[in-house]
Amino acid sequence: GQSLEQPSEVTAVEGAIVQINCTYQTSGFYGLSWYQQHDGGAPTFLSYNALDGLEETGRFSSFLSRSDSYGYLLLQELQMKDSASYFCAVRDLGNTPLVFGKGTRLSVIA
Amino acid sequence: DSGVTQTPKHLITATGQRVTLRCSPRSGDLSVYWYQQSLDQGLQFLIQYYNGEERAKGNILERFSAQQFPDLHSELNLSSLELGDSALYFCASSIHSGGADTQYFGPGTRLTVL
Repeated sequence: GQSLEQPSEVTAVEGAIVQINCTYQTSGFYGLSWYQQHDGGAPTFLSYNALDGLEETGRFSSFLSRSDSYGYLLLQELQMKDSASYFCAVRDLGNTPLVFGKGTRLSVIA
Repeated sequence: DSGVTQTPKHLITATGQRVTLRCSPRSGDLSVYWYQQSLDQGLQFLIQYYNGEERAKGNILERFSAQQFPDLHSELNLSSLELGDSALYFCASSIHSGGADTQYFGPGTRLTVL
């Protein structure tokens, strides 16, 4: 089976940088995804890493280290609208569904 | 807007009843996934269909069932409802069945069991 660990809550100041970590345990590994979910809203895809290294998309970046079974989501120039829950998710090899972590609730304060 | 539609948006019913949640995937997507999200909980995978056939099953209760129709829309049937079934139910779709596929989520159906 798979398991993921990520902090339950993070608070950061508007304009700052925040990093949300995710460690995972899987029997196989296809890639690590990140999803954002605002209160009452649907999860939306942010990024996907299959290989080691950093992927950058605007203010958001995602990093993966396969050897450490570890990844993180980096949010820069934080805005109030970034207040949301962020989920990491992994997929095992083969036709297996995504398994989501319990999510990290990010609160951006002024 | 993800392109995935779900109906109804809200559903209030009583214990012991049966409800059906409906999902239409994005145009061209063959896979449909169902998730349950309880208060302050993560997304619990229930079941996946790919091109009309069941592909993967998660922690789905025997009281729950699903199907995907030839037009690729899907329905999740919840029966003998209990208070603990109150949750947000999301449908997601993707082009294929796994791998690097991005999943696109619908707006969800909020089920309240009284």
